[in-house]
Amino acid sequence: EAQVTQNPRYLITVTGKKLTVTCSQNMNHEYMSWYRQDPGLGLRQIYYSMNVEVTDKGDVPEGYKVSRKEKRNFPLILESPSPNQTSLYFCASSLTGDTFEAFFGQGTRLTVV
Amino acid sequence: GEDVEQSLFLSVREGDSSVINCTYTDSSSTYLYWYKQEPGAGLQLLTYIFSNMDMKQDQRLTVLLNKKDKHLSLRIADTQTGDSAIYFCAEVYSGGGADGLTFGKGTHLIIQP
Repeated sequence: EAQVTQNPRYLITVTGKKLTVTCSQNMNHEYMSWYRQDPGLGLRQIYYSMNVEVTDKGDVPEGYKVSRKEKRNFPLILESPSPNQTSLYFCASSLTGDTFEAFFGQGTRLTVV
Repeated sequence: GEDVEQSLFLSVREGDSSVINCTYTDSSSTYLYWYKQEPGAGLQLLTYIFSNMDMKQDQRLTVLLNKKDKHLSLRIADTQTGDSAIYFCAEVYSGGGADGLTFGKGTHLIIQP
């Protein structure tokens, strides 16, 4: 079954404690991206990757890192989480960068206290 | 930059038609999309339209595109309780495909019995 898998689904952590949210897709997609969803702000892109070892900043990259060492995985790293990073995070993948039949993961609800 | 606007809420009675509207600013958009997000879930592609089309129909869904006014609408005929969700309009910018999808803030569709 074609899918994008994020882990964990829910996470509560403390300020400053490094964390990683994993994202994996099984569709051999080149393009992957991370979004955060906040009430009243909709979805905002954090980082994206057009292929292995190619990543770039989206609209709200501050406080986040990503890596794309393999095609299927695109982890999101928060080196020193802060409360303003409390949000619902979505990973998405699509075949290429400009035809966006994007597939989304189920989301990760992160709370930073 | 690109901007996509939607109203935040729409309330309709079960069995009526729902019309969700969206305006966008990027005239070079190549694809325009409607995504559906059910409670607690990720986004799922509902339908899409190429920018050289005016209308697309798919069972209960009708997408209308007015390129002159940069206006996109999604009509759901015979709205059911299962249609209750957040609907996101999105566009993809044709300039190299690097930026990915730009989403509206989402329209909450509320179904009254």
